[in-house]
Amino acid sequence: GAGVSQSPSNKVTEKGKDVELRCDPISGHTALYWYRQSLGQGLEFLIYFQGNSAPDKSGLPSDRFSAERTGGSVSTLTIQRTQQEDSAVYLCASSLGGASYQPQHFGDGTRLSIL
Amino acid sequence: ILNVEQSPQSLHVQEGDSTNFTCSFPSSNFYALHWYRWETAKSPEALFVMTLNGDEKKKGRISATLNTKEGYSYLYIKGSQPEDSATYLCAFRGSNYKLTFGKGTLLTVNP
Repeated sequence: GAGVSQSPSNKVTEKGKDVELRCDPISGHTALYWYRQSLGQGLEFLIYFQGNSAPDKSGLPSDRFSAERTGGSVSTLTIQRTQQEDSAVYLCASSLGGASYQPQHFGDGTRLSIL
Repeated sequence: ILNVEQSPQSLHVQEGDSTNFTCSFPSSNFYALHWYRWETAKSPEALFVMTLNGDEKKKGRISATLNTKEGYSYLYIKGSQPEDSATYLCAFRGSNYKLTFGKGTLLTVNP
């Protein structure tokens, strides 16, 4: 079956613009995660959605970042007034549930470059 | 702040060599340790999820061990092949839902 799909694969934009990144998880996966990898850093947790529960937004670095998940499926990560430090690879992952033993399935990521 | 460390940062081996690398993580509030392989231009791929102290898991030429009391896991690759070249990531899962990743070990296998 289809894996996790992310779009766009690459995005170049000017500082100060808003960007929207999309994630389409594996069908039937109730848990969805956003991560980012900045240059020289490890994967950094951003936000977690599980079913209809309130999302865990504890990893969002500033109030310029927001995410939503509509209908328990597709998720969008929005960055407002982008800054150069927002340049990173943004990865989305989904899992069957939120249990610790369930592996996460990742998309190919969106490479975001802020000029 | 959780600290997940991986060593070495990078590794070059010859085809046919066996190799191993380390992941260290907090020994408290442990729920699971995940290993992923991330090849260039691809998405990270789950290798193992380990939950019990003393766990050993194997997939083909790759195996992993887990020591939750001292907070470390080893990943072993037997008879490395060029297609094993990738970044190997470990991630700690505590009682919250997020994974805390190490920075990875970049493995290059020379033919």
